[in-house]
Amino acid sequence: EAGVAQSPRYKIIEKRQSVAFWCNPISGHATLYWYQQILGQGPKLLIQFQNNGVVDDSQLPKDRFSAERLKGVDSTLKIQPAKLEDSAVYLCASGRDSNSPLHFGNGTRLTVT
Amino acid sequence: QKEVEQDPGPLSVPEGAIVSLNCTYSNSAFQYFMWYRQYSRKGPELLMYTYSSGNKEDGRFTAQVDKSSKYISLFIRDSQPSDSATYLCAMSAGTGGFKTIFGAGTRLFVKA
Repeated sequence: EAGVAQSPRYKIIEKRQSVAFWCNPISGHATLYWYQQILGQGPKLLIQFQNNGVVDDSQLPKDRFSAERLKGVDSTLKIQPAKLEDSAVYLCASGRDSNSPLHFGNGTRLTVT
Repeated sequence: QKEVEQDPGPLSVPEGAIVSLNCTYSNSAFQYFMWYRQYSRKGPELLMYTYSSGNKEDGRFTAQVDKSSKYISLFIRDSQPSDSATYLCAMSAGTGGFKTIFGAGTRLFVKA
């Protein structure tokens, strides 16, 4: 089966600009997650979707981050405006359901200058 | 105190050595324990997935969970240069990815 697809792979923006990341999960996977991985740290959950509904967004900085999952398939994560501390790898993961192990994409590496 | 503690390393071993990677945790509600391998510029890949205490073996990899000590381990036998990666422990109170907490990862280098 095809894996989790993410784009772009790399993005460099200036602070206060906006940026969007895209994720296409494994076909048939109902659960989709966005994680933030800062250099030298483990992934931190930003938001979890079950189909097209939000299950957990308690760690999403909602004043600048937003995410949506249209039609319960693809998802986009947006940051507006970006801050220097948002420099990280943004990982998308999917699971068959919330009880299944996560399958990760290769992430988008964001650098904010 | 972090919920999950993991020594970041780096850990450097010769090819063929037995590698021991460890994590400690503070939340006694954790029941599901995972190890992920992450190569440079790649996403984490699930290696082992265990429930509660005990051992699980898969090829050269063995995962151990000691809930009484809040301590988990991953052993790699006959280590290979291709095992060079960052190893992340992860755990959750529920199954799957819900509220999964990751350790910071241990960087492993296996020298040929």
